[in-house]
Amino acid sequence: AQKITQTQPGMFVQEKEAVTLDCTYDTSDPSYGLFWYKQPSSGEMIFLIYQGSYDQQNATEGRYSLNFQKARKSANLVISASQLGDSAMYFCAMRAYSGAGSYQLTFGKGTKLSVIP
Amino acid sequence: DAGVIQSPRHEVTEMGQEVTLRCKPISGHDYLFWYRQTMMRGLELLIYFNNNVPIDDSGMPEDRFSAKMPNASFSTLKIQPSEPRDSAVYFCASSRTFLYGYTFGSGTRLTVV
Repeated sequence: AQKITQTQPGMFVQEKEAVTLDCTYDTSDPSYGLFWYKQPSSGEMIFLIYQGSYDQQNATEGRYSLNFQKARKSANLVISASQLGDSAMYFCAMRAYSGAGSYQLTFGKGTKLSVIP
Repeated sequence: DAGVIQSPRHEVTEMGQEVTLRCKPISGHDYLFWYRQTMMRGLELLIYFNNNVPIDDSGMPEDRFSAKMPNASFSTLKIQPSEPRDSAVYFCASSRTFLYGYTFGSGTRLTVV
């Protein structure tokens, strides 16, 4: 069974500093994908970044980068130069085969990031 | 591109009533997902469709929940009868393939009193 673990319920970061949000995962599927989503207080889910299990390089999207350590089964999100608008819930998710012809996107419990001016 | 459109945005209903949530996926997206978000359980996959066919409904909590996708541009999630424990935010998401990021709708906040 798939499992996504986010161990930090809440994080604080000073504006303009970098922050790392932790995510570990477990799956028996050799071909999986890892995602990060942002959920601001308005409630919508915003896709940030994707990493495939066979990708050799860490994914980057603007100020977001994914620190993918396959052997450790971790996929941490790094936000550089934090902005006040980065304050939100952040969810790590994994797409993997779950059996019976089904692929599921499983979410972690989330980390609430607060950016301090 | 209008994105994934869900309606209504908010729904308040009395226990025992039927509730229907609606979703219009992005045109050309072959996959459609229904998720439920609560404080206690986080984001849970309820059901997903591929080319209008239900593929996995193992997350549907019980027989009171049903979902349909009569065509490529419309899906419904129905709860009958509704109960207070069904109160949650229900998200619909769609994707062109299963490989990459899914686009979520704005969600429907359901309150059952």
